[in-house]
Amino acid sequence: AQTVTQSQPEMSVQEAETVTLSCTYDTSESDYYLFWYKQPPSRQMILVIRQEAYKQQNATENRFSVNFQKAAKSFSLKISDSQLGDAAMYFCAYRSAIWNYGGATNKLIFGTGTLLAVQP
Amino acid sequence: NAGVTQTPKFQVLKTGQSMTLQCAQDMNHEYMSWYRQDPGMGLRLIHYSVGAGITDQGEVPNGYNVSRSTTEDFPLRLLSAAPSQTSVYFCASRESGISSYNSPLHFGNGTRLTVT
Repeated sequence: AQTVTQSQPEMSVQEAETVTLSCTYDTSESDYYLFWYKQPPSRQMILVIRQEAYKQQNATENRFSVNFQKAAKSFSLKISDSQLGDAAMYFCAYRSAIWNYGGATNKLIFGTGTLLAVQP
Repeated sequence: NAGVTQTPKFQVLKTGQSMTLQCAQDMNHEYMSWYRQDPGMGLRLIHYSVGAGITDQGEVPNGYNVSRSTTEDFPLRLLSAAPSQTSVYFCASRESGISSYNSPLHFGNGTRLTVT
C-alpha cells in the first residue's frame, strides 16, 4: 500500500523569505499524481500545485514550486517570497494512475501535514 | 458557483445519537468521497462513490454508512455516534473518466462534529 510521509510537523518562515516543506512517499507504481493542498484556519482545503509522475519538469504555480525527485520518491514544496496569507497547514497527497474505472477508484492518500507559520 | 456544499458546519451529538452529514455538488462529478481529519493523522478516507448507486469502503469505514441515489448528493450517516467519531469531516468530489484522470479533489468546507 502507498504511504505519504511529512516529517516536519511545524515550520516557521520570515515574511518575504523562502521555505521548503518536505514530503516523501512510498509506492511500487511507476505512474501516479502528487498534490499539495493548503488548509488555512478557515478549514477550507485549497489545491496549491500538482505533479504528474511521468513529467520530468517540476510544476510551478506563481510563488509555489515543487522539487520532484522520482527516484528518491520525494516531492517537496518551495514557497518563495512568503506572505502572511501563506500561514496554513499544508498536506502532501498521492494518487495512483492505475486505470481502474477510468481512474475513478484511485484514492487520494494524504500525509499528516506541516503547519507553516509566517513571521512578520 | 457553489462547488461542494456541506451541512451542517458544526454539530454536537450525545453518545448513541444518530445523524446525517449532508454533501451536495453541482459540478456533475461522478466521484465523491468522505474524509475525516484528526490531529496528527492527516485526512483518512471513510467511504467513496464512483457514481450513483455505487459506493465502497475507504480506510476507516466502521460506524459510518453512505448511499448515492443521485449524482449530486452523497450523505454520510452515523448510526450510533461514539466519542471516537469526534472529528472534522470533509466531503470531496472530482471528475473521473478518460479526459480527467489527473483531476484534483474539490473539497467542501467541512463539518466539525463533537460527540460527548
